[in-house]
Amino acid sequence: NAGVMQNPRHLVRRRGQEARLRCSPMKGHSHVYWYRQLPEEGLKFMVYLQKENIIDESGMPKERFSAEFPKEGPSILRIQQVVRGDSAAYFCASSPSARNYGYTFGSGTRLTVV
Amino acid sequence: DQQVKQNSPSLSVQEGRISILNCDYTNSMFDYFLWYKKYPAEGPTFLISISSIKDKNEDGRFTVFLNKSAKHLSLHIVPSQPGDSAVYFCAASGNTGNQFYFGTGTSLTVIP
Repeated sequence: NAGVMQNPRHLVRRRGQEARLRCSPMKGHSHVYWYRQLPEEGLKFMVYLQKENIIDESGMPKERFSAEFPKEGPSILRIQQVVRGDSAAYFCASSPSARNYGYTFGSGTRLTVV
Repeated sequence: DQQVKQNSPSLSVQEGRISILNCDYTNSMFDYFLWYKKYPAEGPTFLISISSIKDKNEDGRFTVFLNKSAKHLSLHIVPSQPGDSAVYFCAASGNTGNQFYFGTGTSLTVIP
């Protein structure tokens, strides 16, 4: 998984706090994807971004969740007013093109809401 | 709505034998399929892929078979090694979509 950097690796938040998850894609990759893995489930698509643009956010919960990929800096997945059900592993992936033939994933951020 | 299904949560195989992991899908528009391998506390790692124009793709000890009429794919690992012990996810996408749909994973244990 070298190349896609996610931080922090572990994040603990109390209910009602905000969580910010960061993702730096592989060098040369301008397409970023966020996935969430709930316990005992597979990875579920959340959002697809290119630099400064959200291309597909069909998997994002309608409230409290937002994502950005600014011109400079990492992609950020932001969760406001976290609840226990947000506890999950959040994976970021990147690819060099729009029609991708396989992502490179980061090691993930494990969010625990207490 | 689980469009990609892995019905076996776990599989145990003796070292040196063949491991067969199965995956079924429901969407006939899917045209590209992948297998990922995941160790605990790490992100998924790409293993092997297959396009819908093929029915088999081989890479070393790993072979993926695709049966489009049955909407079924399988991953064969032969010979299996203890280092293959991990969770394996299959994933599928269509040419009009931006996302991959993942199965729930099969945990493979290769017994030395």
